[in-house]
Amino acid sequence: GENVEQHPSTLSVQEGDSAVIKCTYSDSASNYFPWYKQELGKRPQLIIDIRSNVGEKKDQRIAVTLNKTAKHFSLHITETQPEDSAVYFCAGIQGAQKLVFGQGTRLTINP
Amino acid sequence: GAVVSQHPSWVICKSGTSVKIECRSLDFQATTMFWYRQFPKQSLMLMATSNEGSKATYEQGVEKDKFLINHASLTLSTLTVTSAHPEDSSFYICSARGPGVAGVNEQFFGPGTRLTVL
Repeated sequence: GENVEQHPSTLSVQEGDSAVIKCTYSDSASNYFPWYKQELGKRPQLIIDIRSNVGEKKDQRIAVTLNKTAKHFSLHITETQPEDSAVYFCAGIQGAQKLVFGQGTRLTINP
Repeated sequence: GAVVSQHPSWVICKSGTSVKIECRSLDFQATTMFWYRQFPKQSLMLMATSNEGSKATYEQGVEKDKFLINHASLTLSTLTVTSAHPEDSSFYICSARGPGVAGVNEQFFGPGTRLTVL
């Protein structure tokens, strides 16, 4: 089955700087890679996703890149703001149905 | 659109009792619902997948007789934790997806239920 590895587990950046979180996956048949933001005690919120037929997708300050050959994808947040502080999870899809989550990255934006 | 609700948002129960958690899709038909468990500072772990009208498919290591899942309608799935013990204390989150709602793979998450077993 699919295995998703995420790193780093914690990331601290200065406000205004960029943050990058990386994930690798094992199943070459996976074709959907979402990123979620979760605040303490809240539900995961989809912030961006990418399908395997594209290499990059951008939505304002957030972008995701996908390297199918290397089986890894990354989340890029530019011009970070304090409200970006949260736990971020990547995920891969297994069997066209199940989401397999990475271990999570706790992002802290320092003012 | 694509709103999922859960009830209750939190529950405290005594060891040995059963607790039922409801997951509802409010504005779409959820042909598939998923139940996750999240321990503090950990990731979401899928417990089971349920398709409307079918028996749930449980992940390895999840006891189907302890975590009873019913998905009797296209808008409601329930998770019953039977004979709950302190180690079952966790954050339980459901998600749902349905035809014609966003992308084919996208899941919509409920707000979660925090279960504390004393």
